[in-house]
Amino acid sequence: GQQVMQIPQYQHVQEGEDFTTYCNSSTTLSNIQWYKQRPGGHPVFLIQLVKSGEVKKQKRLTFQFGEAKKNSSLHITATQTTDVGTYFCAGRAGGTSYGKLTFGQGTILTVHP
Amino acid sequence: SAVISQKPSRDICQRGTSLTIQCQVDSQVTMMFWYRQQPGQSLTLIATANQGSEATYESGFVIDKFPISRPNLTFSTLTVSNMSPEDSSIYLCSVWSGPYEQYFGPGTRLTVT
Repeated sequence: GQQVMQIPQYQHVQEGEDFTTYCNSSTTLSNIQWYKQRPGGHPVFLIQLVKSGEVKKQKRLTFQFGEAKKNSSLHITATQTTDVGTYFCAGRAGGTSYGKLTFGQGTILTVHP
Repeated sequence: SAVISQKPSRDICQRGTSLTIQCQVDSQVTMMFWYRQQPGQSLTLIATANQGSEATYESGFVIDKFPISRPNLTFSTLTVSNMSPEDSSIYLCSVWSGPYEQYFGPGTRLTVT
């Protein structure tokens, strides 16, 4: 079945440093989504990428979808303590338009003030 | 957007008993899902709750262990049957109505002793 691998598992940064998490799928994806889960909270949708090579920005967050639609990345510039949490990528297999998502393992981000 | 509530928010149960978790959405949604998230782990899809018909289960999950109901477009229940300590987890209801965002409920934290 489809597998979505995410690295690194943990990332500790000083406030102000940049952070990147990478996601790789075993199969071609129709789209990929990113979620943030704060400690003790539930996953909250950040963004969806659909097109090959797509790049989207949300303030300090930059999301990329690979040309082959099998990998993606999330980059945070100048991290803040409010960025703390677990970041998950979640992919939908090619040809699947509805909500069945396969989640990566997540990257736990810790930001030291 | 969709606002999801789950009951109970947490419970401690004895081995061999069953617990039914309720998921209520504030609007009609196309698809409802049940996920499991073990402590510090990623999200695993248990099943898709289909309105008026039997749920569609993912590999490794069976109806006898996780019976699901979805009587209408805003409500679903997940029962965890004959519980064992390995069932200790967070159970999350999720909904999708297209085109992008998938919303998650606050989760039910289950501990089996």
